[in-house]
Amino acid sequence: AQSVTQPDIHITVSEGASLELRCNYSYGATPYLFWYVQSPGQGLQLLLKYFSGDTLVQGIKGFEAEFKRSQSSFNLRKPSVHWSDAAEYFCAAEISNFGNEKLTFGTGTRLTIIP
Amino acid sequence: DGGITQSPKYLFRKEGQNVTLSCEQNLNHDAMYWYRQDPGQGLRLIYYSQIVNDFQKGDIAEGYSVSREKKESFPLTVTSAQKNPTAFYLCASSPTGPNTEAFFGQGTRLTVV
Repeated sequence: AQSVTQPDIHITVSEGASLELRCNYSYGATPYLFWYVQSPGQGLQLLLKYFSGDTLVQGIKGFEAEFKRSQSSFNLRKPSVHWSDAAEYFCAAEISNFGNEKLTFGTGTRLTIIP
Repeated sequence: DGGITQSPKYLFRKEGQNVTLSCEQNLNHDAMYWYRQDPGQGLRLIYYSQIVNDFQKGDIAEGYSVSREKKESFPLTVTSAQKNPTAFYLCASSPTGPNTEAFFGQGTRLTVV
């Protein structure tokens, strides 16, 4: 079955430190890949997406993600986190050519920033 | 400004009552979606619609109903048949076709007491 796994439920990082959030997918073919961020009680905002081409993808708010086919991974990174980055982060994947009805989400990683 | 509007933000209902959550978009997107979010479970698809007057069940459609009479609107009714309706509900929309992304509303938190 198609699935997206985020192995870390909760991560705590000091402000100014680097960040990496892990995401692995299990699909028969390479899916489209997304990272979304959610602040408490809010909707989801797209950080970045990978459809094809360059495997290092730049997003908003200084985030980037690297697609690694050999590892079936799409990890999210930021070189220096800010207190405002505290939120929940969702990795998602889909393999439809017709829309997003097959968008599958991971269970999310909650990011806490300490001073 | 273009976007997706969900209302209300908070909703309280007594057990056994049906309740309808509103979702309106002015992005001219053909496709719309409803997700349910529970702690530790990510987002699960309830229903989706790719075109007016047509919709399909998602992974957890039991106890829910939808309609799509207008392109801009995709209301979700949580019926009394839904065993555990208390949750955060998110509406999304997207263009159809490849290489598209979903845009989300701000969500409605439903509490059934």
